[in-house]
Amino acid sequence: AQKITQTQPGMFVQEKEAVTLDCTYDTSDPSYGLFWYKQPSSGEMIFLIYQGSYDQQNATEGRYSLNFQKARKSANLVISASQLGDSAMYFCAMRESSSGSARQLTFGSGTQLTVLP
Amino acid sequence: DTAVSQTPKYLVTQMGNDKSIKCEQNLGHDTMYWYKQDSKKFLKIMFSYNNKELIINETVPNRFSPKSPDKAHLNLHINSLELGDSAVYFCASSQDHSGHGNQPQHFGDGTRLSIL
Repeated sequence: AQKITQTQPGMFVQEKEAVTLDCTYDTSDPSYGLFWYKQPSSGEMIFLIYQGSYDQQNATEGRYSLNFQKARKSANLVISASQLGDSAMYFCAMRESSSGSARQLTFGSGTQLTVLP
Repeated sequence: DTAVSQTPKYLVTQMGNDKSIKCEQNLGHDTMYWYKQDSKKFLKIMFSYNNKELIINETVPNRFSPKSPDKAHLNLHINSLELGDSAVYFCASSQDHSGHGNQPQHFGDGTRLSIL
């Protein structure tokens, strides 16, 4: 079974509008972390935001916020006031406590976001 | 600049050759990783090293071997390259202060490997 599911292969948003990128996850671990990364066309992987499974509040980082719904096992990324530079591939990832000292990330398949002028 | 740096950025070579990709981090992190991103952009863990100890090894062919001369370096050696090895390979590092795994992994810019 997929541990991280991103159901939107591609998304379009108008400049200055907000957009939500979906991410659902599957784990039986009580302790886990969820991460979002951005990969522009130049190829580098840029860390955006983190949410811990025990965090009471949704994470925010500038224009990025994470809509964490633990019971539904979803961790959607919300980008407010989209900019042309936000056009990129976005990956949701999870680290489970059962990975032990390995600390590996399991990635979703990504969502390609295009911001329209 | 503090970063994860990997070289080369591009690597074009013929099937059957042996090649290496170097990775260095100056962030003082205790764990380093290698990920493979395939043509469909899917990222999958290959290896990670913590304090010079290999702690995970996914279903990766033994033609791939990580080598860590010290905590700041994790090089990837690939023997007898095959067409299916064509991909982008990312090095990453992280530091886990609390043991809860809440520190992000910092990625290098990737090495695009093309097998002719």
